[in-house]
Amino acid sequence: GEQVEQRPPHLSVREGDSAVITCTYTDPNSYYFFWYKQEPGASLQLLMKVFSSTEINEGQGFTVLLNKKDKRLSLNLTAAHPGDSAAYFCAVSATGNYKYVFGAGTRLKVIA
Amino acid sequence: EAAVTQSPRNKVAVTGGKVTLSCNQTNNHNNMYWYRQDTGHGLRLIHYSYGAGSTEKGDIPDGYKASRPSQENFSLILELATPSQTSVYFCASGDRQGVNNQAPLFGEGTRLSVL
Repeated sequence: GEQVEQRPPHLSVREGDSAVITCTYTDPNSYYFFWYKQEPGASLQLLMKVFSSTEINEGQGFTVLLNKKDKRLSLNLTAAHPGDSAAYFCAVSATGNYKYVFGAGTRLKVIA
Repeated sequence: EAAVTQSPRNKVAVTGGKVTLSCNQTNNHNNMYWYRQDTGHGLRLIHYSYGAGSTEKGDIPDGYKASRPSQENFSLILELATPSQTSVYFCASGDRQGVNNQAPLFGEGTRLSVL
């Protein structure tokens, strides 16, 4: 079945710096890709979504890049601020497969 | 407003006891999911459901049962709780894939401690 590897598990950056979180997946039929943000003690909130072919989605200070050839999904934060400190999870699912497989998460800390 | 509500939010149980975690969604979604979250593992799928009356095993179903008596409700049952089941449990609901391109919506979580 699908396996998702997320790197790095922990990331500390200074305010204003960039940050990159990457997920690699195994199922070439994967079609639905999501990024969630989870603040301490809270639920998961959808951050961004991307589908189908190589796409770049932007919003909320984040850019998502999907490279289907390499089976790699990345979340790029161009200018981090302390409010971005949280855990981030990628989720992947193949068409017709109702299961969403999550990465292990990245704990991002933005230092002021 | 779309919502997924879990109860209880916190639970302390004794080893060997029965625990039922409940989830209610008002989104009219067909699919519902139970995940557990442990440090270093992200979210792992325990059981899921396509609709009322259906339950399917996820990736880590051992020691858990699920029940979907209606479109709105999905329960997770631990018949004989063990300390290894101490975790945070999340329920989620989602539409059929391709419908509105929606991502699963998550509840607030239930923190379970088995002593």
